Amino acid sequence: EVQLEQSGAEVKKPGESLKISCKGSGYSFTNDWIGWVRQMPGKGLEWMGIIYLGDSETRYSPSFQGQVTMSADKSLRTAYLQWSSLKATDTAIYYCVRHRLFCTRVVCRLDYCDSWGPGTLVTVSS
Amino acid sequence: QSALTQPASVSGSPGQSITISCTGTSSDVGAYNLVSWYQQHPGKVPKLIIYEANKRPSGVSNRFSGSKSGNTASLTISGLQAEDEADYYCCSYAGSRTLVFGGGTKLTVL
Repeated sequence: EVQLEQSGAEVKKPGESLKISCKGSGYSFTNDWIGWVRQMPGKGLEWMGIIYLGDSETRYSPSFQGQVTMSADKSLRTAYLQWSSLKATDTAIYYCVRHRLFCTRVVCRLDYCDSWGPGTLVTVSS
Repeated sequence: QSALTQPASVSGSPGQSITISCTGTSSDVGAYNLVSWYQQHPGKVPKLIIYEANKRPSGVSNRFSGSKSGNTASLTISGLQAEDEADYYCCSYAGSRTLVFGGGTKLTVL
């Protein structure tokens, strides 16, 4: 069974740095695209971007480009999401997700998220 | 890259059918059949209920169905049940290895 385990809740002050993690178990993981989804308090889901565990290739949503950094350690089957300087508006639940791909003979495209981690609550407050 | 447009809320009585729309553009919903839908109960993790516009994952009730026409995708829930009360989100491939979610729709079962 595919499982994504996320690191625990964090309470930080504005300006501090943070790195949260997402570890895969129950399957290969190393050839998958792992995405991050933000959900601010009482708000909807926002797709932040993805990282390919095979070579750490990343792609960010324009809304999050430059605001966060995604990384991965294939040997640890773990993806990371980090901030260098948190803001109060970063307060949210962050989900990691496994993306499936839709492939034809010539191209592969991102498809649905079939597995979700339990989420990491990040609270940024002075 | 703007969020897909969903109605903020819909409601229906038990046993009725409801449809939630998800409107995008010719660059996302209209360009690909890669639309998925997720159900999220309060305080819970989202759950995939429809993928590739009209396919249901194993274990999802056949009361849930999806369709797409042009730039608009739709989720229909038939035979409404109290347990269907939740938030529903659509999501579409938007090109260049990016995805975009809809703003979400709150379903109330009266």
